[in-house]
Amino acid sequence: EAGVTQFPSHSVIEKGQTVTLRCDPISGHDNLYWYRRVMGKEIKFLLHFVKESKQDESGMPNNRFLAERTGGTYSTLKVQPAELEDSGVYFCASSQEASGLDRGTQYFGPGTRLTVL
Amino acid sequence: AQSVTQLGSHVSVSEGALVLLRCNYSSSVPPYLFWYVQYPNQGLQLLLKYTSAATLVKGINGFEAEFKKSETSFHLTKPSAHMSDAAEYFCAVSYSGAGSYQLTFGKGTKLSVIP
Repeated sequence: EAGVTQFPSHSVIEKGQTVTLRCDPISGHDNLYWYRRVMGKEIKFLLHFVKESKQDESGMPNNRFLAERTGGTYSTLKVQPAELEDSGVYFCASSQEASGLDRGTQYFGPGTRLTVL
Repeated sequence: AQSVTQLGSHVSVSEGALVLLRCNYSSSVPPYLFWYVQYPNQGLQLLLKYTSAATLVKGINGFEAEFKKSETSFHLTKPSAHMSDAAEYFCAVSYSGAGSYQLTFGKGTKLSVIP
């Protein structure tokens, strides 16, 4: 079974440009999460999808960030326009419906390292 | 609100020595607790989790953690460190509220293993 995949693995852009990150969750996982780790800080929650609906977007830093999950499959996270403080590693995670022993367990992708110059 | 404190951003141990990584949490409701590991240039891998069953949890690669409610702790241990254990370790907490199991992470502890 394929794990969570993310693309690209690295992205270097200039301030003011637009970047789109993609996450493909584990097949059959309805729950998809985005997290971010800014250098030197802890990993922080951004938002949570259940299928194609946003369940919780309380962690999104501002309206320059837009997340979508078309058809409840893969998700994209767009940053437009990018600022210097957006640099960091963006992680995606997915989980099954919350039941049984696997309840709440999230499986992470390798992350996308974003550098804004 | 939940929070996680990991004591020590860097821990060094000798190969074969005990590994002890500390994690304390605060949560207003019974939590789910996790330890994740990140090896260099890789993503986060689940080591083990506590979800209100047995308080001593065994994970992969010989790691285990004990949930102590009275101390609000979930320390990670391994009896004998191996060179391959060098990585960054993250403690995280979530709870089954509001339909979202978002994780709250500690700042991470980098483990170095000295030959």
